[in-house]
Amino acid sequence: DIQMTQSPSSLSASVGDRVTITCRASQDIKNDLGWYQQKAGKAPKRLIYATSSLQSGVPSRFSGSGSGTEFTLTISGLQPEDYATYYCLQYSNYLWTFGQGTKVEIK
Amino acid sequence: EVQLLESGGDLVQPGGSLKLSCAASGFTFSSFAMTWVRQAPGKGLEWVAFIRDSGSRIQHGDSVKGRFSTFRDNSRDTLYLQMNSLRVEDTAIYYCAVLPYYDLRSGYYIYSDYWGQGTLVTVSS
Repeated sequence: DIQMTQSPSSLSASVGDRVTITCRASQDIKNDLGWYQQKAGKAPKRLIYATSSLQSGVPSRFSGSGSGTEFTLTISGLQPEDYATYYCLQYSNYLWTFGQGTKVEIK
Repeated sequence: EVQLLESGGDLVQPGGSLKLSCAASGFTFSSFAMTWVRQAPGKGLEWVAFIRDSGSRIQHGDSVKGRFSTFRDNSRDTLYLQMNSLRVEDTAIYYCAVLPYYDLRSGYYIYSDYWGQGTLVTVSS
């Protein structure tokens, strides 16, 4: 099975900061990776699919990059509504694996 | 408007069984593979099961393999998760969802993103 290692597990940042979250896959998943945002008591909401494609309606301050085994989610200019937990998801070869999550908190 | 409505969550004793349902509307259910995802209290997301649009391919995660089974009734636009031999560690919110996948029949990736609101399963004595 493919393991996803997400880091950091939590971070504190201020409004306006640039935030970077990383996921590493245990094997090559090409660009079969997405990023999700989850707020307390809600279902996850997808931000990015296919590594770098922005989901419709998602602000352009969110961006994704990477390929193969290393992937990054960047929030350029953190906003108050961005405080949440973020997960990566790989979907290669009919197996799905989420990263452990990154909780983004107010500094 | 796309809706996925899970039901069937309950309190059950260890070793017991439970059947979850997910009623779909607002999209052509029979054209999409479906997935179950769960989230234990205060924990991360875990993929549980996948079933192809036709039901011809089914996969389960290692933690539930042999105990859970997933199936669908396309005539009723409904997805099911039969959970047997339940354990305390199966306690979670269970979501039905459409996650990204490669559709062998069309040769294209399906990037739709639909989630239900979840149903809570509590396994406790």
